[in-house]
Amino acid sequence: AQRVTQPEKLLSVFKGAPVELKCNYSYSGSPELFWYVQYSRQRLQLLLRHISRESIKGFTADLNKGETSFHLKKPFAQEEDSAMYYCALSDGEYGNKLVFGAGTILRVKS
Amino acid sequence: KAGVTQTPRYLIKTRGQQVTLSCSPISGHRSVSWYQQTPGQGLQFLFEYFSETQRNKGNFPGRFSGRQFSNSRSEMNVSTLELGDSALYLCASSLAAGRSGYTFGSGTRLTVV
Repeated sequence: AQRVTQPEKLLSVFKGAPVELKCNYSYSGSPELFWYVQYSRQRLQLLLRHISRESIKGFTADLNKGETSFHLKKPFAQEEDSAMYYCALSDGEYGNKLVFGAGTILRVKS
Repeated sequence: KAGVTQTPRYLIKTRGQQVTLSCSPISGHRSVSWYQQTPGQGLQFLFEYFSETQRNKGNFPGRFSGRQFSNSRSEMNVSTLELGDSALYLCASSLAAGRSGYTFGSGTRLTVV
């Protein structure tokens, strides 16, 4: 079965420190992966997609098919990065079903 | 450009009742999907509609149903409510399919008492 694993419930770092939010997946085909973020009292929003190979708010994520991982990284954490982060893969014939991980709370301390 | 709009924001229902939730997607978006979010199970896919057709369905009992109208607006219905149906129900829309990423609404918080 398709599965997304985020092993850390909570990641706490100091401002200016590097951040790596881990995501591993299990998928039988070619996965399409996403990171979504939910800031306090805001709606869930798309952060980035692996197909775009983009950097959003300083975050990047590289798909490693060998390790079946899609870790989210940022070299220098900022306090405004504190939020819940969800890794998700796109499943279904039309890629229309998102399978989410359990989420990781990122807390950036000053 | 207006985002995904869900109504109502909050609902309190009694066990055994039924409930209908509404979702208006972003203008031009034809794919609408629904998710249930709970502290225990996280985010779980309910179903997805495209051009009024259900294309995919998650592992939920038949009490959970939905539909999409010609203007892409969608509703989901839960019949014979159970306490375990208490959750945040999220609607998301996309232009065609999920590969471009979905835009989520703020959700409807359903409490079953």
